[in-house]
Amino acid sequence: KAGVTQTPRYLIKTRGQQVTLSCSPISGHRSVSWYQQTPGQGLQFLFEYFSETQRNKGNFPGRFSGRQFSNSRSEMNVSTLELGDSALYLCASSRGGTNTEAFFGQGTRLTVV
Amino acid sequence: AQTVTQSQPEMSVQEAETVTLSCTYDTSESDYYLFWYKQPPSRQMILVIRQEAYKQQNATENRFSVNFQKAAKSFSLKISDSQLGDAAMYFCAYSSRSGKLVFGAGTILRVKS
Repeated sequence: KAGVTQTPRYLIKTRGQQVTLSCSPISGHRSVSWYQQTPGQGLQFLFEYFSETQRNKGNFPGRFSGRQFSNSRSEMNVSTLELGDSALYLCASSRGGTNTEAFFGQGTRLTVV
Repeated sequence: AQTVTQSQPEMSVQEAETVTLSCTYDTSESDYYLFWYKQPPSRQMILVIRQEAYKQQNATENRFSVNFQKAAKSFSLKISDSQLGDAAMYFCAYSSRSGKLVFGAGTILRVKS
């Protein structure tokens, strides 16, 4: 059974640009969550999608957005990149419902220069 | 809001010995889940063990076991017979039925041979 796949693994962008990250969940999983990991702030929840609907949102500015497609794949977009957006972005998938056991991808390392 | 606190930034253990990582949390909910995740240098978050709050019995997974004290809101991880491959960052995490994970700051575990 394939795990959670995140693409790309590494990304370098310039301040002011926008970026789109992709996450393919485990087959059969309908929930996809995104997390930002930085040395200073640790792991912070961005948002969660379940059956194409945003079910939860963390405390991030509107520059951070996401969506989920009918096949449960999810994308996260960050517009007008800032240096502080440099981080490891982790995606996690779960079946959703009452089963909250989450499985993580390997992450996308975003560097903003 | 739920919070998770890991008071030990770093721990060391001799190979084959036992080590306990501490975690406390705060919540007003009665139905929730607690997890320990391991993040090795590869950055892949790996689920180590999970505990449902309604279960009084402590979860165990091979060499890993937890001490869940619901009234004290404490959730410690015991690693027995420590191995070099156990060296990693360990995160304690909380989740309600919403699916959102709240993480602690993490504990770096070093294993000495």
